Amino acid sequence: ILNVEQSPQSLHVQEGDSTNFTCSFPSSNFYALHWYRWETAKSPEALFVMTLNGDEKKKGRISATLNTKEGYSYLYIKGSQPEDSATYLCASYNTDKLIFGTGTRLQVFP
Amino acid sequence: DSGVTQTPKHLITATGQRVTLRCSPRSGDLSVYWYQQSLDQGLQFLIQYYNGEERAKGNILERFSAQQFPDLHSELNLSSLELGDSALYFCASSEGPATNEKLFFGSGTQLSVL
Repeated sequence: ILNVEQSPQSLHVQEGDSTNFTCSFPSSNFYALHWYRWETAKSPEALFVMTLNGDEKKKGRISATLNTKEGYSYLYIKGSQPEDSATYLCASYNTDKLIFGTGTRLQVFP
Repeated sequence: DSGVTQTPKHLITATGQRVTLRCSPRSGDLSVYWYQQSLDQGLQFLIQYYNGEERAKGNILERFSAQQFPDLHSELNLSSLELGDSALYFCASSEGPATNEKLFFGSGTQLSVL
């Protein structure tokens, strides 16, 4: 069974704060690391897919990095806004399956 | 709107019954994935199809089965339902089988087994 771990489980920050979360995944038979944003009452939406060690992706105030040798990825949100409140899921593609972590639930207070 | 359609949105049934969940992928997508979201659990991978063929299998129970039809829609059949099968079932699609392709999720089917 592949384990994809995310930390912290939840996070409460003030508007304007920058924050980051961690995703740990097995480094063996690794093919890709996905990040998804899941708002309450909606479906998960893809943010990034990264495959290469050292990959960095950016979308507005959100960015992500990937370390495939040690098996971790960071997601950064700069200047958090209330609309960033959501659960952030990472998923690792190892061998032939895309396995999700349990997510980091972010709440941004005005 | 992701372009992935799941029906029904809600399903309430009794233990021992059988239900079918349906998924239509985005236009042009050949891969379909099924995930189960239970309380306090993450998205649990069930099964993946690509162009009609089973591509990968997760911890899918023997009471569950799925298929992808020639028109690329997929159905997930759940039989001999138990209370613990109550969950949100997501379907997702991607263009191909490649590992670096983003998944597009449907809105899910909420199954309640009473």
